[in-house]
Formats: sequence, structure tokens, C-alpha cells
Amino acid sequence: AQSVTQPDIHITVSEGASLELRCNYSYGATPYLFWYVQSPGQGLQLLLKYFSGDTLVQGIKGFEAEFKRSQSSFNLRKPSVHWSDAAEYFCAVVPAYGGSQGNLIFGKGTKLSVKP
Amino acid sequence: DSGVTQTPKHLITATGQRVTLRCSPRSGDLSVYWYQQSLDQGLQFLIQYYNGEERAKGNILERFSAQQFPDLHSELNLSSLELGDSALYFCASSSGQGYYGYTFGSGTRLTVV
Repeated sequence: AQSVTQPDIHITVSEGASLELRCNYSYGATPYLFWYVQSPGQGLQLLLKYFSGDTLVQGIKGFEAEFKRSQSSFNLRKPSVHWSDAAEYFCAVVPAYGGSQGNLIFGKGTKLSVKP
Repeated sequence: DSGVTQTPKHLITATGQRVTLRCSPRSGDLSVYWYQQSLDQGLQFLIQYYNGEERAKGNILERFSAQQFPDLHSELNLSSLELGDSALYFCASSSGQGYYGYTFGSGTRLTVV
């Protein structure tokens, strides 16, 4: 079945440590790929997106993500986490087939906690 | 401020009642999307409108309906409310079909008591 999987429900990292949030998708063709962040009580903010080309994409707030076709993955990374990065992170895809209508399909999210 | 405006921010109502959630898209955006976010179901796509016409339906209950008006604002109507309808309802907008991502509003938190 078509799906977006974020295997980690909750991750805790120390401030200043590196971060990697995992995302795998299951679609026949490479979809359009996105990462969104949701701070408590807030809406979703787009961090970065991938359509084609360079498989390493840069986003806002110092985040980057790498697309790996062979692993059907689009993992989000940050070299040094700040306390303000504590939030929930959602991987999302837009299936790249004719009938998809461009609708975002979200993973279940990964909640990030940051230790001082 | 994302440019997508949702009102009200919070809504508390009783079971069996009907409510209307409102969304004004970002200036220039023709597509509006509605999503429901709950703890058990996560973010679920409900419905999409493009320039006043319904374009796609997701997991939207028959008790729910939506429309997009000529000025492009949209309303989501929820009727015969049940406790399980308590959730965050997000509106998002995009200029076209959404392949390049959406801009989300800050959501309406609905509590059914």
C-alpha cells in the first residue's frame, strides 16, 4: 500500500548534538517530498522540499534532507540542534502520478525533544 | 503570519451541534485544502477546492461538507457533531495543484463536549 513512514515517534537529543529524522515512502514512482515542522499550538511550516535534481536539499533554520532513491528515503538532518528546534516534524509526499491531484500525504510525525 | 487565515482559533460545542470553520487563502492562491489532525489518526486530508470547484476528496465524513466562494475563501461545515470529531482542523492553500507544497493556517481547535 502507498504510505509514508516515520519510524521514530519520539526522539530526544541534547542541545548542540546532531539530528537525523527518518522518513520512508512507498510509492511506485518518486513522489514530490517535503518536510514540515509544527511547534506546539501552531500550524505547519514548510522546512524544505525535493522534486528532482541534487539529492541533498537545503531548507530553512539550518535543516537539510537527502533523497535516496535506492532506499526510498528522505531523511532530515541538522548538524547542531538548538532548544528552539523542539517541535513535531512531519514528512509528506505528493504522489507523482496523474490522478493524485497534488494532495499532500503525511507521515505520523516525529516529536523532537531537546535536552539542555 | 503565513498569509492563510483561519477563524475561529478555538471552538467548543456540544454533541449533535453544527459548526462552520472559515479559511481565507494566501493572496493569489486558488487552491484550498482542509486537513484534520487528531492524536489517533494524524493528519488526514479531507477535501480540496480549486477556484470554486471541488477537486479531490479524502477521508471526509458525510456529515462534513465544504465550499469555496467566488472570493476564494472556504468554509468547512461540520454537523451532527460527535465526541470523536474533536480535533485540529487546518486549512492550507497553494497557487495551483499543490505539487510544490502548501501554506498552512494556524488551525481551528474544535472541542466537542
